[in-house]
Amino acid sequence: EDKVVQSPLSLVVHEGDTVTLNCSYEVTNFRSLLWYKQEKKAPTFLFMLTSSGIEKKSGRLSSILDKKELFSILNITATQTGDSAVYLCAGRPSGGTSYGKLTFGQGTILTVHP
Amino acid sequence: SQTIHQWPATLVQPVGSPLSLECTVEGTSNPNLYWYRQAAGRGLQLLFYSVGIGQISSEVPQNLSASRPQDRQFILSSKKLLLSDSGFYLCAWDGIGGEKLFFGSGTQLSVL
Repeated sequence: EDKVVQSPLSLVVHEGDTVTLNCSYEVTNFRSLLWYKQEKKAPTFLFMLTSSGIEKKSGRLSSILDKKELFSILNITATQTGDSAVYLCAGRPSGGTSYGKLTFGQGTILTVHP
Repeated sequence: SQTIHQWPATLVQPVGSPLSLECTVEGTSNPNLYWYRQAAGRGLQLLFYSVGIGQISSEVPQNLSASRPQDRQFILSSKKLLLSDSGFYLCAWDGIGGEKLFFGSGTQLSVL
C-alpha cells in the first residue's frame, strides 16, 4: 500500500522565519510528487516534482525531490502571515488512468505569527 | 479556461438521511474525475474515480456511492448517512495532460 508521511505535523513561526517542510513517500511505480497549499477550502497546486535534484521555485517557495531517499522538502523563506495554511504533499503513481490516484500525506499545519 | 464547480459548500444532515453532492467541470471534455474525503486533521483519502460516463471505481469500501451520468458531471451519494460520513468532500479533475490535480471548493458535511 502506498504511503506518504509529512513532518512536522504542525509548525509555529514568526514572520520572516524560514521553514522547511518534509515529505517521505513510498509509492509503487512512482511518477511524481506534488505539493499543495490548503487555506480554508480547496487545496491549490504549488509544485510537481518528477526528477531528483532539480529545484522548483516560485517566489519565496521552493521544493526539491530526492528519488533515491524517497524524500521531498518544501522551503518557504521570509515567511508571511499569508503563508499560514495546511501544506499537503502527495505521491502519484504512473500508468494508465491512475493519474489522479494520489496518495496524500496528513499535512503540515503552518502558522505564521506577525 | 477550465473550471470545476462543487456544491453545496456546507451541509448538515441527520443520521440516516440521504446525500447527494454534485460536481461539474467546464471547459473540457472526457475528464478523469475524483472524489476525495478529508477527515478533520488528516490527509485526503481517495473515495472514487471515474474515467468516463458510467465508469466508476471505488477505492475504499464505505457507505457512499458515486455516479457519472454525464461527461462532466460527477455525483457522490448515500442512501443513509452515518456519523462517520462527516468530513470535507472534495471533487477533483486531473487537468489537461493529466499531470496535476485541480480541486473544487469542497463540501463540509456534518452528520448529526
